[in-house]
Amino acid sequence: AQKITQTQPGMFVQEKEAVTLDCTYDTSDPSYGLFWYKQPSSGEMIFLIYQGSYDQQNATEGRYSLNFQKARKSANLVISASQLGDSAMYFCAMREGITGNTPLVFGKGTRLSVIA
Amino acid sequence: DTEVTQTPKHLVMGMTNKKSLKCEQHMGHRAMYWYKQKAKKPPELMFVYSYEKLSINESVPSRFSPECPNSSLLNLHLHALQPEDSALYLCASSSPGYSYYGYTFGSGTRLTVV
Repeated sequence: AQKITQTQPGMFVQEKEAVTLDCTYDTSDPSYGLFWYKQPSSGEMIFLIYQGSYDQQNATEGRYSLNFQKARKSANLVISASQLGDSAMYFCAMREGITGNTPLVFGKGTRLSVIA
Repeated sequence: DTEVTQTPKHLVMGMTNKKSLKCEQHMGHRAMYWYKQKAKKPPELMFVYSYEKLSINESVPSRFSPECPNSSLLNLHLHALQPEDSALYLCASSSPGYSYYGYTFGSGTRLTVV
């Protein structure tokens, strides 16, 4: 069963606008972590933001924020004030359990294109 | 040092060749991973090493042979690959303890099998 679902294969956003990338997940483990990564065409996976299942507040990192709705099992990424350099593939990923040697499972990704 | 270094960055090999991919980290992470990523697809897990022991093998064909000679180094030995094995191979590491920023990825090796 697919554990991470990203339903938007591609998104366009105007420069300086905000954009929301959707992610829903499925797990029966009460302890889990949710991650967003950015992958430019060069291939490197760049960590953006993390949300733990027990975290009470939504995570924020600069222009990135994570809209965590636990009951709906969603973890949407919000990018504010989009920049041309934000054009890339974005992956939502999950780690089940609390130990850090559990591998990440990735969604299919959303390709974001920022338009000038 | 907060990096995972992968070499080579690009590799072209014939189907009868033997080659190796190398991954190195000096962050004290004791879990290391190999992922395979085809174009326009998400990374797919291949192997997990925890404390230098293979803990997960996702039914990867035997033409891929992982090796973890020490806590800083992870190799992926390649032999008799097929053209469909052409992909980006990503290495990652993490701390086995509870850690949120624990997953660090290398920049990958782009492999082309001819």
